[in-house]
Order: sequence, then C-alpha cells, then structure tokens
Amino acid sequence: DQQVKQNSPSLSVQEGRISILNCDYTNSMFDYFLWYKKYPAEGPTFLISISSIKDKNEDGRFTVFLNKSAKHLSLHIVPSQPGDSAVYFCAASPDNYGQNFVFGPGTRLSVLP
Amino acid sequence: DAMVIQNPRYQVTQFGKPVTLSCSQTLNHNVMYWYQQKSSQAPKLLFHYYDKDFNNEADTPDNFQSRRPNTSFCFLDIRSPGLGDAAMYLCATLAGAGTLKDEQFFGPGTRLTVL
Repeated sequence: DQQVKQNSPSLSVQEGRISILNCDYTNSMFDYFLWYKKYPAEGPTFLISISSIKDKNEDGRFTVFLNKSAKHLSLHIVPSQPGDSAVYFCAASPDNYGQNFVFGPGTRLSVLP
Repeated sequence: DAMVIQNPRYQVTQFGKPVTLSCSQTLNHNVMYWYQQKSSQAPKLLFHYYDKDFNNEADTPDNFQSRRPNTSFCFLDIRSPGLGDAAMYLCATLAGAGTLKDEQFFGPGTRLTVL
C-alpha cells in the first residue's frame, strides 16, 4: 500500500517549457515534504522541501506547491533545461525533525533540446 | 569530494551466499540509513542508526542485519540472499536529531545481483 504516489513514471518536456511533476499522498499525518533528484549512477540529492504550514516554496527555477486538503503536491521547473533530465522522487514525513520518511516511486523527466 | 561512499558499487553474489555492503561517510553525521530500491520502485527504508542506537523498520526481513562499528562506517549484511533481494542499496546520512531532513546526503548506491 503506497503512502506516496507518483502516478507518472515518465514525462517528456521541451527545453524552455514548464515541467510539472505530481505527487499524491494518503497519510494525513505527513506534514513535511521533499523532492529529490537522481542522476544515473548517483545517489538522490535534495532539491526542495515544503512544510505543511505553507502552500508554496520557491527556489530559483524550482517551485513546490502543496494542496493539503487534496493531499497533493507538485514540483514546477521553469524553464526546463536538458540538465534537469533525471528521476525525481517525492518524499513525505510526519515531521521535519524525525528520522523516517517515505519515498514515492519516482518520475523520470526527459527535457528535450 | 565524495561525502558518502559506498563500496562496492556493483556486487554479484550467489543465492544463499552471505554478502556485506559497506558505507562510509566523511561528514561526521550521527544518523545513517540503509534503503533498498528495486527497479522503478520507491526507496524503502530498511533501518537506521542514530549514533549507536539501531532502529529496525517493522517489515525489514530478519535476513538483513546491520553493524555500525564507529561514526564513519555502517555495514549491511545479507545473511542468505534470495533472488528477491536483488536491488540497489542506498546509504544516507543526516547530521542528527533536530536537523532538517534537507541535510540528508545519499551515497551513489550498491547494485546487488543475486545469481
């Protein structure tokens, strides 16, 4: 039973356009969410996070939106660049100081030149 | 500079033959994690150490054990690997309790093949 879902295994976007990656969760106790990016042959690296007290967090080209009532978050990348091609994992935790969090299965983003 | 190092990067073992995967870190972080990731699936937490305190996830099979002899090193022992244990094994670290999860660092992973 997946608590964190990323229903699109893959996504292709043209360079310069917006990439939107979606994530849904089922556990209402989750209140801290993170996005990780993973290149082949490397470990995941932290990208951006959001606490449930916010509905938006922005860092450069990356913005995460949280809709807590819908248990949905999304990552927007604008403009998309070929170097953004990677697997993106959504992760959720009951708190931002705890030890455990749950990953989604990932979405492979391909940004086409 | 590599901060979380996993050796070997690729490991092949035979069905039932014990295998040990290694993780080391240069960050002096208190918390170390082991995750199992099967193809196209989410990384799944197996266990973690907060300093020397071992925390096992409820559904981690008994076949999986871990050792942390010091702050820098953590080992994953698979006592009798089965075909279903073939996966990528990721090690990660966190500075410590009271630290934002933003600061979790992952190693590159060890891909385990079971023949």
